Amino acid sequence: RKEVEQDPGPFNVPEGATVAFNCTYSNSASQSFFWYRQDCRKEPKLLMSVYSSGNEDGRFTAQLNRASQYISLLIRDSKLSDSATYLCVVNKISGTYKYIFGTGTRLKVLA
Amino acid sequence: DGGITQSPKYLFRKEGQNVTLSCEQNLNHDAMYWYRQDPGQGLRLIYYSQIVNDFQKGDIAEGYSVSREKKESFPLTVTSAQKNPTAFYLCASSIVGAETTDTQYFGPGTRLTVL
Repeated sequence: RKEVEQDPGPFNVPEGATVAFNCTYSNSASQSFFWYRQDCRKEPKLLMSVYSSGNEDGRFTAQLNRASQYISLLIRDSKLSDSATYLCVVNKISGTYKYIFGTGTRLKVLA
Repeated sequence: DGGITQSPKYLFRKEGQNVTLSCEQNLNHDAMYWYRQDPGQGLRLIYYSQIVNDFQKGDIAEGYSVSREKKESFPLTVTSAQKNPTAFYLCASSIVGAETTDTQYFGPGTRLTVL
C-alpha cells in the first residue's frame, strides 16, 4: 500500500459543479496534512492546511478523518481557473520533517 | 519580496558531467528540502536540512550531494553517478518546531535535461 494514495483522475466537471477528492494515508502517526495545487510545469502552491476540526476557505473545504485515515477536499462552484492537479501531502511522522506527497488528482473544469 | 529562488530555470547537461542547482530563501526558515518530480509521479525527497551544517538523506539520495553552509542557501549537486537525472527539481523551505505552521513553500523549480 502506498503511503499516500490519490485517484489520479482526471475529473472533468462543468463550471459551477461541486467536486470532491479523497486522499488516504497509511501512517497513523502522521500529524500534519495539506492540500497543494500544482499547475502544469509549475511548482506546488499551498491551497490549505487540514485541521482536525476541518476548515473552509471560500469555495474550498478540507476535512480530516483520522479513524479512517483520509483527508478530503471539496470545491464548490468550480471555476475554469480551478483546473490543476491537487496534491495531498502528509507529514510522515511528527518531528522528522519528512513530507510524503501523493501523485495528485487532476481536475479539468469545462466551460 | 520574501520567497524562494531557484536557478537556473532550465539546465542541460551532458552525460558524465556534474551540475549544481541553486536554491536561496529569504524567509528565515530553518528547514530546506530538495525534491525530484518525474512526469505523472509525486514528489520524491532527495535531501533535507533542518539546521545549518547538517542535512539528512531522503528517499532517493544516491547520485546527489548537498551542502548547508548558510541558512539561506541549500545547493544541490547532481553527480555523474545519478543514472537518470532528467527531471523537475524543486526546492522548498519551512519553519522548524511548530507543527501547526510547518507548511512547506516551494521555489519555481529547475528543469534538468541530460543530453
